Amino acid sequence: EAQVTQNPRYLITVTGKKLTVTCSQNMNHEYMSWYRQDPGLGLRQIYYSMNVEVTDKGDVPEGYKVSRKEKRNFPLILESPSPNQTSLYFCASSKAGASLLEQYFGPGTRLTVT
Amino acid sequence: GEDVEQSLFLSVREGDSSVINCTYTDSSSTYLYWYKQEPGAGLQLLTYIFSNMDMKQDQRLTVLLNKKDKHLSLRIADTQTGDSAIYFCAESINDYKLSFGAGTTVTVRA
Repeated sequence: EAQVTQNPRYLITVTGKKLTVTCSQNMNHEYMSWYRQDPGLGLRQIYYSMNVEVTDKGDVPEGYKVSRKEKRNFPLILESPSPNQTSLYFCASSKAGASLLEQYFGPGTRLTVT
Repeated sequence: GEDVEQSLFLSVREGDSSVINCTYTDSSSTYLYWYKQEPGAGLQLLTYIFSNMDMKQDQRLTVLLNKKDKHLSLRIADTQTGDSAIYFCAESINDYKLSFGAGTTVTVRA
């Protein structure tokens, strides 16, 4: 089954404690992306990757890091989480180009930073 | 810059039509999208329209695009309880970026 998986689905952590949210896709997609969803703001793009070892900033990259060492994985790293990073995070993947017509989303990771 | 706007809430009676409206700013967008998010789930592409089209119909869904006014709408005919969800309008900025609206929460009442 074609899917994007994220782990963990729920996480409560404290300010400053480094964490990683994993994202994996089984569709051999070149493009992957991370979004955060906040009430009244919709989805905002954090980082995206056009292929292995190629990443770029989205609209709200501050406080986040990513890496793309393998095609299937695109982890999101919060080196020093802060309460304003409390949010619902989505990973997505699609084939390259075609204006993201077939973008698949993961189920989401709800992060709370206290 | 990119800015997609949509109303935040819509309440509709079961069996009626729902119309969700959206305005966007980037006139060069190639595609415009409607995504659906059910409670506790990720986003699912519902439908999309190419920028050179005025209308697209897909079963109960009708998308209307007014490029002059940069206005996009989604009509759901015969709205059912399973249509209760958050609906996001999005425009393609380029091949690597979508700009999303804040989402419209549709509540279907019996």
